[in-house]
Amino acid sequence: EDQVTQSPEALRLQEGESSSLNCSYTVSGLRGLFWYRQDPGKGPEFLFTLYSAGEEKEKERLKATLTKKESFLHITAPKPEDSATYLCAVQAPEGADGLTFGKGTHLIIQP
Amino acid sequence: DADVTQTPRNRITKTGKRIMLECSQTKGHDRMYWYRQDPGLGLRLIYYSFDVKDINKGEISDGYSVSRQAQAKFSLSLESAIPNQTALYFCATRSSTGNTEAFFGQGTRLTVV
Repeated sequence: EDQVTQSPEALRLQEGESSSLNCSYTVSGLRGLFWYRQDPGKGPEFLFTLYSAGEEKEKERLKATLTKKESFLHITAPKPEDSATYLCAVQAPEGADGLTFGKGTHLIIQP
Repeated sequence: DADVTQTPRNRITKTGKRIMLECSQTKGHDRMYWYRQDPGLGLRLIYYSFDVKDINKGEISDGYSVSRQAQAKFSLSLESAIPNQTALYFCATRSSTGNTEAFFGQGTRLTVV
């Protein structure tokens, strides 16, 4: 059974203070690891997909990396508008569909 | 207009009532999904559909049923609502080409009293 564990559950940073969010996963054959951002009262918004160890993707202040056991979402010099819950998910194995999500990291960036 | 539209956005219903949540998408994608989100538990898959004729149970399908009326429409029904079905429900869609990202609706907040 696929498992996704995110840490920390919550993180409070000062504006400009860089940090990383962790996503550990256990799957039988990774078919894709996804990062989403979720704002209060809204649906998850896609950020990145990673498929193989060593892969990296960047978007503005965010950078996602992947190893064989975990993924990191690095946030460089964050701004208050980066405050949100960040969700990690893995694609279901071959023959099935859907995503298995972690519980998310609630990130607060203080001005 | 949103790519994935859910109706209603909020609903309060009584225990034992039948309720339907509706979802429509304009992405032209063939795959559609229903998830529920509970505080502390994250998003969990209820049902998914590869196309109009192919519907599959997800992790937590008990107490729910679905109908794929068209490629763009996927509805979720609670035949007899119970309080522990109080949650935030999300519909999503994605293309079957590759392992592409899913696009989510804005959610339906359902309260069963």
